Amino acid sequence: GAVVSQHPSWVICKSGTSVKIECRSLDFQATTMFWYRQFPKQSLMLMATSNEGSKATYEQGVEKDKFLINHASLTLSTLTVTSAHPEDSSFYICSARDWGGRDNEQFFGPGTRLTVL
Amino acid sequence: QKEVEQNSGPLSVPEGAIASLNCTYSDRGSQSFFWYRQYSGKSPELIMFIYSNGDKEDGRFTAQLNKASQYVSLLIRDSQPSDSATYLCAPKGGGFQKLVFGTGTRLLVSP
Repeated sequence: GAVVSQHPSWVICKSGTSVKIECRSLDFQATTMFWYRQFPKQSLMLMATSNEGSKATYEQGVEKDKFLINHASLTLSTLTVTSAHPEDSSFYICSARDWGGRDNEQFFGPGTRLTVL
Repeated sequence: QKEVEQNSGPLSVPEGAIASLNCTYSDRGSQSFFWYRQYSGKSPELIMFIYSNGDKEDGRFTAQLNKASQYVSLLIRDSQPSDSATYLCAPKGGGFQKLVFGTGTRLLVSP
């Protein structure tokens, strides 16, 4: 199957700093990428849908000025958590859609664990 | 009403038994349904997808879909301890065909 990578796999930062997470589709072009957040023992919550070359579409309740998403190429989307606070500590997972794949499969990256001190 | 409902479990089955995982959804416009498996601390991995009413089999896994009842299930035959994970049901819909995940059912397979 198609491969999606994320970098970094984990990050620890101080409160008030910004953190950038990269999501790359390694062997296919992804016009659409999705960003999820998962708190312990909870399900994945979709934060935003990112389309290459256009502004991201955020889910209700997600602050677009705090979670900046850029999808500048067909293989790269970035999520920047600005002015991070301890409550932003979570597991952030991206996924990318392979429009050429079966039923437009969505492949997930390995996730980034963010800890804000 | 939640968009996707699953029993959080845990569902405990002995090794070799059949595990039955159920999911109901509220959006009648959903056309495709995906089952993902998620191990603790890892990201989800796709097990199966189904878009037609009836059964779809893939190895030890069988997905069942009933659109009239808005119900989708996953059967795991000959359950193995390595099947112990959280299973997420995700209908696909919406403008960007986004996946909406249920809370997942935790499956425990005991040796």
